Amino acid sequence: DGGITQSPKYLFRKEGQNVTLSCEQNLNHDAMYWYRQDPGQGLRLIYYSQIVNDFQKGDIAEGYSVSREKKESFPLTVTSAQKNPTAFYLCASSMVGTGYGYTFGSGTRLTVV
Amino acid sequence: AQTVTQSQPEMSVQEAETVTLSCTYDTSESDYYLFWYKQPPSRQMILVIRQEAYKQQNATENRFSVNFQKAAKSFSLKISDSQLGDAAMYFCAYRRTSGTYKYIFGTGTRLKVLA
Repeated sequence: DGGITQSPKYLFRKEGQNVTLSCEQNLNHDAMYWYRQDPGQGLRLIYYSQIVNDFQKGDIAEGYSVSREKKESFPLTVTSAQKNPTAFYLCASSMVGTGYGYTFGSGTRLTVV
Repeated sequence: AQTVTQSQPEMSVQEAETVTLSCTYDTSESDYYLFWYKQPPSRQMILVIRQEAYKQQNATENRFSVNFQKAAKSFSLKISDSQLGDAAMYFCAYRRTSGTYKYIFGTGTRLKVLA
């Protein structure tokens, strides 16, 4: 079955460490997105990519980095420069040029310890 | 810039009753898409319903329907015959029809269903 897979489900990071969140889709979607979810703030866009080898900053890109070397994969690295990384991270994908909604992954909960 | 506002942080409804969740948005575009997403305790985001702005007719999906008022920039979600499984966070979202395909989300409404 087609879908979008995020791993791991839970991730713990020590202060000063970089961590990478995985997002893989087999839906043949062109576009992929990373959102951060905090209580009371809805979903905020971190980065998005509409084509391989190209990506754009969202509203809260500082302290994060991404790559899009393959259509299926869009990993997110949370760097030590991100001062408040504890949050729930959602990856999504969609077809470009259509009005269909996002397909979301099941999310990764990142906690700084 | 486009914005989406959900002014009700939390709502409650009795089982089998009807509830309406509010959403307003701001845009200078004439054509766009609007969506309602449900996020149950599992935190998996589920598309509930979508509306294309150029369509006058309100979208309906089983017990879920919308009241789309384009001039007022309002997009409310009505849930009829509420069920315990409807308890979740509900997010309203906006997307342009061209250019970037990123969504703008509201801050969400937590819906409680009382037995």
